[in-house]
Amino acid sequence: EDQVTQSPEALRLQEGESSSLNCSYTVSGLRGLFWYRQDPGKGPEFLFTLYSAGEEKEKERLKATLTKKESFLHITAPKPEDSATYLCAVQGQNSGNTGKLIFGQGTTLQVKP
Amino acid sequence: DVKVTQSSRYLVKRTGEKVFLECVQDMDHENMFWYRQDPGLGLRLIYFSYDVKMKEKGDIPEGYSVSREKKERFSLILESASTNQTSMYLCASSLFLGSPLHFGNGTRLTVT
Repeated sequence: EDQVTQSPEALRLQEGESSSLNCSYTVSGLRGLFWYRQDPGKGPEFLFTLYSAGEEKEKERLKATLTKKESFLHITAPKPEDSATYLCAVQGQNSGNTGKLIFGQGTTLQVKP
Repeated sequence: DVKVTQSSRYLVKRTGEKVFLECVQDMDHENMFWYRQDPGLGLRLIYFSYDVKMKEKGDIPEGYSVSREKKERFSLILESASTNQTSMYLCASSLFLGSPLHFGNGTRLTVT
């Protein structure tokens, strides 16, 4: 069964204090790993897709990396506006032709000024 | 940019009522999805559709049905609302297999 586990559940950082969020996954035939950002009361906003081990993607202060078992979302010198819940999701061969995603529980990041 | 629009941000319904949640996407996406999001349980797939008039059950379809009469519109129906269906409902669409899902802003449904 496809499974996604994110850690930590919650993370508090000072502005400028870099850190990483972890997403461990078990999936039969990874088709893609997705990172989303979700602000309170809103739908998830797409950030990155990673398809194969060794791949990296960057956007502003965020950098996502992928290995065969996990993905990291590195946040460099975060600002208060980076505060949000970050969700990781995978799509595996078990999704057939549907494209459905299996989501982790998320990491809630708070960045204090 | 892809836009997924959910018709209501907040809904309050009574137990036993029939509830319709509407979702429209403007990017000609093939696939559409309904998820619910609950604290501690994350996002769980209710139903999805990969073509007009086609639908497939997700992980928690009990108590729900869906309708996709047009490519851009995907409706979630609660046949007889119950209090355990109080939740945030999220609609999403994707272009093809392997492409990311794009979500609407959600409908927070309260059933009393």
